[in-house]
Amino acid sequence: AQSVTQLDSQVPVFEEAPVELRCNYSSSVSVYLFWYVQYPNQGLQLLLKYLSGSTLVESINGFEAEFNKSQTSFHLRKPSVHISDTAEYFCAVNSGNTPLVFGKGTRLSVIA
Amino acid sequence: SQTIHQWPATLVQPVGSPLSLECTVEGTSNPNLYWYRQAAGRGLQLLFYSVGIGQISSEVPQNLSASRPQDRQFILSSKKLLLSDSGFYLCAWSVGPRKDGYTFGSGTRLTVV
Repeated sequence: AQSVTQLDSQVPVFEEAPVELRCNYSSSVSVYLFWYVQYPNQGLQLLLKYLSGSTLVESINGFEAEFNKSQTSFHLRKPSVHISDTAEYFCAVNSGNTPLVFGKGTRLSVIA
Repeated sequence: SQTIHQWPATLVQPVGSPLSLECTVEGTSNPNLYWYRQAAGRGLQLLFYSVGIGQISSEVPQNLSASRPQDRQFILSSKKLLLSDSGFYLCAWSVGPRKDGYTFGSGTRLTVV
C-alpha cells in the first residue's frame, strides 16, 4: 500500500527566512503528488500538485515543490515566509484507483 | 460552480449518544465522496469512501458507519459515541481523473464528553 512520510511534525521559522517541508512517499510506477494547506479550524485547501512534465511546480503564493523520482520525494519550499503562512501542511499521494493517502502533516509556525 | 457543505461546524455530545454528520455537494454529478478524521498529531485518517449511491467502502473498523442515500449526500453516523471518537471530521469529494485531487468541506469539530 502507498504511504507518505512527512519527516518533521513541527517547523518553527523566522519571518522572511526560507523554509523546506519534507515529504517522501513509497515508490510506485505512476503517482500524482499533492500539497494541501490547512488553516486553524478549516478544511484543507489544495496548494499545488505534480501530475507529469516539469518536476518543479509552483503555487500562486510563492511556494514551490520539486518531484524527485529517484529519491521518491516531493519537498515543499518557500524562499521567504510570512506570518500568514502559519498553518499545517499535508503531503498526499495518489496511485492507481485508491483514495488519496496523506502524511501526518507538518505544522509551520512563522515567528515575527 | 461546485461547492461542498458540511454541518454542523462544532458539536459536543455525551458518551453513548448517537451521531449524524451530513455532507452535501452541489454543482456536480456522481462524485466520489470521502470521510476523513483528523486527530491531534495523527494526520488524516480515511474512514469511508463512496463511488456511488449505496456503495460504501470502510477503511478502518470502528464505532462509525456511513451511508449515501442520494448521489450528492454522504452521512457519517454512530449509534453510541465513545470518547475516542472526538476529533475533526472532514468530508471531501472528487470527480473525474484522479489527477484533480480532492475538495474538502470546512469540517466538523466533534467533542465527546
